[in-house]
Amino acid sequence: EVQLVESGGGLIQPGGSLRLSCAASGFTVSSNYMSWVRQAPGKGLEWVSLIYSGVSTYYADSVRGRFTISRDNSKNTLYLQMNSLRAEDTAVYFCAREGWAYGQWLAFDYWGQGTLVTVSS
Amino acid sequence: EIVLTQSPATLSLSPGERATLSCRASQTVSSYLAWYQQKPGQAPRLLIYDASNRATGIPARFSGSGSGTDFTLTVSSLEPEDFAVYYCQQRSNWPVTFGQGTRLEIK
Repeated sequence: EVQLVESGGGLIQPGGSLRLSCAASGFTVSSNYMSWVRQAPGKGLEWVSLIYSGVSTYYADSVRGRFTISRDNSKNTLYLQMNSLRAEDTAVYFCAREGWAYGQWLAFDYWGQGTLVTVSS
Repeated sequence: EIVLTQSPATLSLSPGERATLSCRASQTVSSYLAWYQQKPGQAPRLLIYDASNRATGIPARFSGSGSGTDFTLTVSSLEPEDFAVYYCQQRSNWPVTFGQGTRLEIK
């Protein structure tokens, strides 16, 4: 069974740092496209970052230069290092797998339950 | 950046009725469009990928259509558990973008 479990959220002051984790089971993180998607309170979904293949990474303009996506293959875990946090980064952060099968895009087919990050003094 | 505009913002219907949700892209996304359902306090759930393919386990009352810039999600006969927020998402161009959502509420 495929499962994604996020952790690491919490209350952090503006300018601070936090690292989110997403532990995967039922599939191999290193063989898949993995993203972070966030949702501010009462708002819609916003894609944040993607990692795939070796070290290919993409970031939304709003987080580029402050956030870093990575993975630990031995732990089958995805990470999001968040630095220089701002109030507008307050959101529930979801990790999600982007499925591909025989060249066909399967969209974000598995999601974690999310972890809340609150940036406030 | 491709902007996805969903309409209507809110749709009020009764169980058993047909729901039609729209998603319009600011430029073509080919068929790289997906639909998600989200209920309060839950993660989004994939309904439709590649514009018209139902995800595993999704009931047949959900269907997707369209290509290019205009897409539709149809729920043929609403069940009580279908009242939620629905998002479309494109993956044709970077960055990945989502629509602002359509809230489907009980009339």
